[in-house]
Amino acid sequence: AQKITQTQPGMFVQEKEAVTLDCTYDTSDQSYGLFWYKQPSSGEMIFLIYQGSYDEQNATEGRYSLNFQKARKSANLVISASQLGDSAMYFCAMREGSPGSARQLTFGSGTQLTVLP
Amino acid sequence: GAGVSQSPSNKVTEKGKDVELRCDPISGHTALYWYRQRLGQGLEFLIYFQGNSAPDKSGLPSDRFSAERTGESVSTLTIQRTQQEDSAVYLCASSFRQGKSYTFGSGTRLTVV
Repeated sequence: AQKITQTQPGMFVQEKEAVTLDCTYDTSDQSYGLFWYKQPSSGEMIFLIYQGSYDEQNATEGRYSLNFQKARKSANLVISASQLGDSAMYFCAMREGSPGSARQLTFGSGTQLTVLP
Repeated sequence: GAGVSQSPSNKVTEKGKDVELRCDPISGHTALYWYRQRLGQGLEFLIYFQGNSAPDKSGLPSDRFSAERTGESVSTLTIQRTQQEDSAVYLCASSFRQGKSYTFGSGTRLTVV
């Protein structure tokens, strides 16, 4: 079974609008972390946001927020006020185990976001 | 250094040759990871080093792939007898032992001809 599922291979959004990128995960661990990374065409991996499984509040970082629904095992990324520079591939990833384990991340297949002017 | 450094940035090699890819993690980061990203695809985990513990090699696709790390510093990923399907970007990441932030290098683009 896939540990991280991103069901939207491609998404389009109009500039200045909000967009939600979907991510569901599968783990039997009680402690885990969820991450979103942005990969522009240049290829670098840019960290966007982190949510711990025990964090009670949804994570926010500027225009990025993570809609964490633990019972549904979903960790959707919301980008508000989209900008042309947001056009990129977005990856959801999970670390199983406690933060101190620093175990490897498992990545989804990604969503290609295109922001339209 | 300020970031994760990988070299070379590009490597073209002939099928059957061995290649070595290098990763220099952020100073003080105890954990180091190698990933492979084929064109248009997600990141595949290859191997994970954490301090002096035995590495997690569960992602290595064949015995042609190996990696070493000296202490908590530089790591090299070696691919022996390269095949065309090894063509990909190889990404290295490092993390401090808190598992909330993983920093990636810019990758090595390997092309096997």
